[in-house]
Amino acid sequence: GENVEQHPSTLSVQEGDSAVIKCTYSDSASNYFPWYKQELGKRPQLIIDIRSNVGEKKDQRIAVTLNKTAKHFSLHITETQPEDSAVYFCAASRPGGGNKLVFGAGTILRVKS
Amino acid sequence: GAVVSQHPSRVICKSGTSVKIECRSLDFQATTMFWYRQFPKQSLMLMATSNEGSKATYEQGVEKDKFLINHASLTLSTLTVTSAHPEDSSFYICSAWHSGAPYNEQFFGPGTRLTVL
Repeated sequence: GENVEQHPSTLSVQEGDSAVIKCTYSDSASNYFPWYKQELGKRPQLIIDIRSNVGEKKDQRIAVTLNKTAKHFSLHITETQPEDSAVYFCAASRPGGGNKLVFGAGTILRVKS
Repeated sequence: GAVVSQHPSRVICKSGTSVKIECRSLDFQATTMFWYRQFPKQSLMLMATSNEGSKATYEQGVEKDKFLINHASLTLSTLTVTSAHPEDSSFYICSAWHSGAPYNEQFFGPGTRLTVL
């Protein structure tokens, strides 16, 4: 089955700097790659996603890149702000099976002001 | 976005009792819902896929007789933790896939914090 690895497990950046979180996946049939932000005790919230027919997607300060050949995708947050501090999870899903998601282990992002 | 609710948000029970958690899609129909368990400082682990009108599909290592799932309608799935024990204490989160415009993504419920004494 699918295996998603996520790095780093923790990331501290200075306010205004960029943050990059990387994930790799094992199932070449996976075609949907969302990123979620989860604050303590809250539900995961989708912040950006990408499908396998594109290599990059951007939404304001957040971007995701996908390399299908290498089976890895990355989250890029620019101009980080203290409110970006949270746990970020990547996930992967393949067609069929009801679109079930396999999650990475998560990255604790701390933005220091 | 689309809304998924869960009830209760918190539950404390004695060891050996059963606890039922409800997951509802409030403004859309979901033929498939998912149940996750999240231990402190860990990731979301998929427990099972809940299929409306048919049996749930459980992930490897998840006891189907302990975690009973019922998806009786297009807006409601329930998870019953039977004979709960302290090691079942966790944050349980459900989700539902919304495939109709303008969304094509999975929406999560707010989670249920289960504490078994």
